Amino acid sequence: DAGVTQSPTHLIKTRGQQVTLRCSPKSGHDTVSWYQQALGQGPQFIFQYYEEEERQRGNFPDRFSGHQFPNYSSELNVNALLLGDSALYLCASSSEQGGYSYEQYFGPGTRLTVT
Amino acid sequence: SQKIEQNSEALNIQEGKTATLTCNYTNYSPAYLQWYRQDPGRGPVFLLLIRENEKEKRKERLKVTFDTTLKQSLFHITASQPADSATYLCALDNTGGFKTIFGAGTRLFVKA
Repeated sequence: DAGVTQSPTHLIKTRGQQVTLRCSPKSGHDTVSWYQQALGQGPQFIFQYYEEEERQRGNFPDRFSGHQFPNYSSELNVNALLLGDSALYLCASSSEQGGYSYEQYFGPGTRLTVT
Repeated sequence: SQKIEQNSEALNIQEGKTATLTCNYTNYSPAYLQWYRQDPGRGPVFLLLIRENEKEKRKERLKVTFDTTLKQSLFHITASQPADSATYLCALDNTGGFKTIFGAGTRLFVKA
């Protein structure tokens, strides 16, 4: 049983460019959350997708957008990249059970470097 | 604003001893609290979840307490091993899993 997978593993972009990160959830999971983790910090919640819609959003600008596909996989898009967007981007999946999605399974992350 | 505080200084202990990590929060009423382990360069791994109406939860060598009056959780690893060395993250949620807030984590080093 494959866990959460993310691609690419590493990415280097130039300031002002756009980037798309991809995530496939653990088998049987229908909810995907995205986090940004700066060095030495905890993961910061970006948003969560369920039933192909954004259900919750953290304090991130509109430059950060996402999508969930019918097979539950998800993409994170970041436009107009800034140097401060350099971080590890984590995808986590969970299963909606009775209106709750507790335990999250994280992928290995995508390391984004903006130069 | 909501704030989660974990010991920013690394915790160094000797193998076999009990490691105790602290998570304090303010301006928040979480329905439940989770602890995750994160190794360098890898995603966090779920360890334990405790609900607001539970005082203590155990899993093998791990024990978590949750005091909603003190707004504090303690995470214990008994009979610690060098393999327990990692960063431990505290995470809170009051939305049923729709939006989880993480602390910055505490780095644990267990010396043989």
